[in-house]
Amino acid sequence: GIQVEQSPPDLILQEGANSTLRCNFSDSVNNLQWFHQNPWGQLINLFYIPSGTKQNGRLSATTVATERYSLLYISSSQTTDSGVYFCANAAGNKLTFGGGTRVLVKP
Amino acid sequence: DAGITQSPRHKVTETGTPVTLRCHQTENHRYMYWYRQDPGHGLRLIHYSYGVKDTDKGEVSDGYSVSRSKTEDFLLTLESATSSQTSVYFCAISGTGLGNTIYFGEGSWLTVV
Repeated sequence: GIQVEQSPPDLILQEGANSTLRCNFSDSVNNLQWFHQNPWGQLINLFYIPSGTKQNGRLSATTVATERYSLLYISSSQTTDSGVYFCANAAGNKLTFGGGTRVLVKP
Repeated sequence: DAGITQSPRHKVTETGTPVTLRCHQTENHRYMYWYRQDPGHGLRLIHYSYGVKDTDKGEVSDGYSVSRSKTEDFLLTLESATSSQTSVYFCAISGTGLGNTIYFGEGSWLTVV
C-alpha cells in the first residue's frame, strides 16, 4: 500500500518562529488532508488540499501532486499550535495517515 | 465544529466482555468511519460505512463488528474484548467519502483489563 512519511518527527519552536512540515508519498497523491491533534487528543481538520496552495490564518499548505509531497507552513507560531500534525492521503476508501510531526511551541 | 458525538468517552472493561461504542452525527453525512489510534501505529481504519446498512472492512477489522441502521448512528462492537483492543477509538464522517473533508469525533478511550 501507499507509504506516507512525515518529517521532521519532532519539532521544538520558540513562540513567534516559523516552520515547515513535510509529507512525502510513495504513490499518487489523492484527496490529501492535514490534521492537527491537540494535547487533549482532539483531531481537527486543517486543510483538504489535493493540489495547489491554501491559507487559513497563520497556517498554509501546498501540495505538489506530481512530485508526491505536501508542505504545511506555520507562521508566527503560538503555544496553541502545539500538538501532533498528521497528513493523510486517500486511496479508494482508505485514508492512510503519516506517522505525524510532534510540535512543541515554547513561550 | 462538525456535529459528532461519541459515547462513552471513557470506559474500562474486562477481557471477554462485549463493548459497544456509539457515534452519532447531526450533519446527515453519508460516510462514517471508525479508526483506532495506538502509539507506533498511528491511525488505522477498522470499518467504514457508505450508507445505511452499507458497511465494509478496514485494515484492522478482526474482532470488531459494526452496524448502521440510521444515517446518524454508527455503532462499533467489540464482540469479546481483549487487552490488544485497549486503544483510543475515533469516529469520523465525510459527506462524499474521502474526496472531501473528513471530520473526527472527540475519541473514546477504552481500556480492557
